[in-house]
Amino acid sequence: GNSVTQMEGPVTLSEEAFLTINCTYTATGYPSLFWYVQYPGEGLQLLLKATKADDKGSNKGFEATYRKETTSFHLEKGSVQVSDSAVYFCALSDRTNYGGSQGNLIFGKGTKLSVKP
Amino acid sequence: ETGVTQSPTHLIKTRGQQVTLRCSSQSGHNTVSWYQQALGQGPQFIFQYYREEENGRGNFPPRFSGLQFPNYSSELNVNALELDDSALYLCASSLGGGATDTQYFGPGTRLTVL
Repeated sequence: GNSVTQMEGPVTLSEEAFLTINCTYTATGYPSLFWYVQYPGEGLQLLLKATKADDKGSNKGFEATYRKETTSFHLEKGSVQVSDSAVYFCALSDRTNYGGSQGNLIFGKGTKLSVKP
Repeated sequence: ETGVTQSPTHLIKTRGQQVTLRCSSQSGHNTVSWYQQALGQGPQFIFQYYREEENGRGNFPPRFSGLQFPNYSSELNVNALELDDSALYLCASSLGGGATDTQYFGPGTRLTVL
C-alpha cells in the first residue's frame, strides 16, 4: 500500500542553519507529493507541492524536488529562522488509489523543528 | 475570501455519547475531506465528500459518518464514542477530489472523550 516515511525528530537548529528533512514514499501509481506545516495550536498549511517527477516545489525559502528514482521528496531550506519552528508533514495523494478517493492524503508522522536564536 | 472554518474549537464528551463536528469549506470549493490526528501523529484520512456524495473512505468504522450539504459545508458524526476517539479532527476543502488538487485545512476541532 501507499505510505510516507519521514525522518524522526525533534530537530533542533540554530538560526541561519541549513535544514533538511528527509521524506521517502511508497506508492503503487503516480503520486502527487506535498509538504504541510503545522504551527503550534493551528491546523495544517500547505507549504509546497509537486505533481510529477523532477518537479521542484518552493515557497518561503523552502524547496523540495520530486525524485522518482529514489522515491524521495526531501525538504530543504538554506537559512532557517525562529519563526520556522513548527511540525512539518510530508504527504502524498495517489491518482490510482482505487478504493479510496484519489484525493485522500497519506501523511508521514511529522518532524518537529525547533529553531533557537 | 473566507478560508475553511470548523466548529466547535474544543469539545468534551463521555464514552458512549454521540458528537457532530461542522466544517465550512472555502468559497468555490466543492470537496471536503475529514482527517483524524491523534497526538503526536500525522493525520489519518476518514472520508471525502464530493458534490454531496461520499467519494472514498479510509479505515474507520461505520460509526464515523458524514454529510455534505448543497452549499458544500459538511458534518462529521461519531456515534458510541470511545476513549481512542480523542483527537484533533481536521477538515480540508479543495476544488476537486483529485490527486493533484490542493487541500486547504481548517484549524481543527479538539475532541476529548472521558
